[in-house]
Amino acid sequence: SYELAQPPSVSVSPGQTASITCSGDKLGDKYACWYQQKPGQSPVLVIYQDKKRPSGIPERFSGSNSGNTATLTISGAQAMDEADYYCQTWDGSTVVFGGGTKLTVL
Amino acid sequence: HVQLQESGPGLVKSSQTLSLTCTVSGDSIRSGGYYWSWIRQHPGKGLEWIGYIYYSGYTYYNPSLKSRVTISVDTSKNQLSLKLSSVTAADTAVYYCARDEYSSSFHWFDPWGQGTLVTVSS
Repeated sequence: SYELAQPPSVSVSPGQTASITCSGDKLGDKYACWYQQKPGQSPVLVIYQDKKRPSGIPERFSGSNSGNTATLTISGAQAMDEADYYCQTWDGSTVVFGGGTKLTVL
Repeated sequence: HVQLQESGPGLVKSSQTLSLTCTVSGDSIRSGGYYWSWIRQHPGKGLEWIGYIYYSGYTYYNPSLKSRVTISVDTSKNQLSLKLSSVTAADTAVYYCARDEYSSSFHWFDPWGQGTLVTVSS
């Protein structure tokens, strides 16, 4: 079965750039999207189709996908961005989620 | 704007069937522009997609759960439902419904309901 791997945790200082990776076999040949989940809340879509941003999502969130890795970049990270982030793709037969990355802003 | 709300028993006995309903407001399931999915999250863990339904009743399930899952739709009530049979403790999770957008052989979910915790007891 297809798998997506994410680092368990990433730390960033306020105002700096955070990059969260998502790795899978030839992931760049598929689309990827990203969700933000804060404690006790439902996931919120922040990036879809590799790099598109839903309305209402700040411009500091951006995405890319090439080769075996999709990347979520948060430019000028803020304390409110501290959350779990999940990548997701469709492998042709099912939806696949990454294991999630806890982003700490400190 | 579209909102989704899950409802159903928070406690289910082992070997029985889990039944949940998702009520959609602000959008009509019958409009046909989207699929509608169920997704679950085990306590403190990641996300697992269960399956989706189209307004016509067409369904597609996660192969790992397919033998136990039934998703149905009631367009008159603007609701979708989930049934998961023969549950065990491993099915204890927060269950979410979500609007499922599809384009270019890709699905993504936006928005999600608030989720409902279902605990399976022995």
